[in-house]
Amino acid sequence: EADIYQTPRYLVIGTGKKITLECSQTMGHDKMYWYQQDPGMELHLIHYSYGVNSTEKGDLSSESTVSRIRTEHFPLTLESARPSHTSQYLCASSAELTEAFFGQGTRLTVV
Amino acid sequence: AQSVAQPEDQVNVAEGNPLTVKCTYSVSGNPYLFWYVQYPNRGLQFLLKYITGDNLVKGSYGFEAEFNKSQTSFHLKKPSALVSDSALYFCAVRANTGRRALTFGSGTRLQVQP
Repeated sequence: EADIYQTPRYLVIGTGKKITLECSQTMGHDKMYWYQQDPGMELHLIHYSYGVNSTEKGDLSSESTVSRIRTEHFPLTLESARPSHTSQYLCASSAELTEAFFGQGTRLTVV
Repeated sequence: AQSVAQPEDQVNVAEGNPLTVKCTYSVSGNPYLFWYVQYPNRGLQFLLKYITGDNLVKGSYGFEAEFNKSQTSFHLKKPSALVSDSALYFCAVRANTGRRALTFGSGTRLQVQP
């Protein structure tokens, strides 16, 4: 069982609200990632980090932002949620030669 | 740039029969290759990986995959499918150098019929 946790699991929120999706891992991994996935569809990388204070945007443009102040914590923030942000957000972490370990995901619905 | 192609949106197989889920990749340098499985409303579960060494990799739940460098393929296989194997399968690749995250394929839905 992977030690990576995402909260909340489900979130329904109104348009214009600010939200933060939490992701924490206890494996000491340097690398962390956020992927966006519509149900049953492919995963799109939106942010990644190779260590503290190191973040980069992924392949899919996203209005969200991330921070990496501590190794174990990689939160994702949307300043003003919109219905187009409705999706599942998956957080993952890895070491250099290991597979990526995924959290259970946060299913976000913006109404 | 790196990419993964999973040419089949869905694979149907009868229980007890062998299954194959196809994956081809493109990456600069040597690849690290992975297979993941996803059940409804869940995150991704790791099945197996190829980093280096033997081209035939064995993983969880009886799955295996063969790395073929000349064909740039990493097909997932299982000798005898179970109904419980029905799920969404993703192939992923990353380069062994550089600051790269995993790139995933579009996924293949495996349906095993009783």
